[in-house]
Amino acid sequence: GDSVTQMEGPVTLSEEAFLTINCTYTATGYPSLFWYVQYPGEGLQLLLKATKADDKGSNKGFEATYRKETTSFHLEKGSVQVSDSAVYFCAAGAAGNKLTFGGGTRVLVKP
Amino acid sequence: GAGVSQSPSNKVTEKGKDVELRCDPISGHTALYWYRQSLGQGLEFLIYFQGNSAPDKSGLPSDRFSAERTGGSVSTLTIQRTQQEDSAVYLCASSLRRAGSNSPLHFGNGTRLTVT
Repeated sequence: GDSVTQMEGPVTLSEEAFLTINCTYTATGYPSLFWYVQYPGEGLQLLLKATKADDKGSNKGFEATYRKETTSFHLEKGSVQVSDSAVYFCAAGAAGNKLTFGGGTRVLVKP
Repeated sequence: GAGVSQSPSNKVTEKGKDVELRCDPISGHTALYWYRQSLGQGLEFLIYFQGNSAPDKSGLPSDRFSAERTGGSVSTLTIQRTQQEDSAVYLCASSLRRAGSNSPLHFGNGTRLTVT
């Protein structure tokens, strides 16, 4: 079945540091790829998505590029803020299939 | 309503009791999903509905778990004879189009179930 693997946390970094969260997937068909974010005390919400190879999803300064050759969808942000502290989930879903999530990566940004 | 609504938000029950968790999806969303999030863990898929039918219920942990959806809208997840390992946050999500399309999931705030 489908699976998504992302780096384990927690990731602790200082404000304005560069953030990368690795994500790789295995899926039948040609999945759409997503990053969801869960801020403290809030529900999961979509951060960004990409639907085909070489697409770049972006939102709130975060970016991720759909790399079919490496089956990856790494999340990056050039300069994090304290408000980016959250749990980030990578997800993949092919047509007709459920959305499969990775285990989540907790990010803590210190001032 | 404007978003996915789940009730109750918190439920404490004794081991062996049955519980029902409710989800009201966003109006017009055809797909509905149940996931489970245990403390410090990722999201575990339980079941997915397209309309009132469940094409994929492969994630239900045991026959104590069941779910239904009526009128293409409200869904109920029932856990019979609850066990302590059932303690988790149960998340419901809906999407405008079928699962696996690029239609994103909209999540509710979840029901935190504690089995004592």
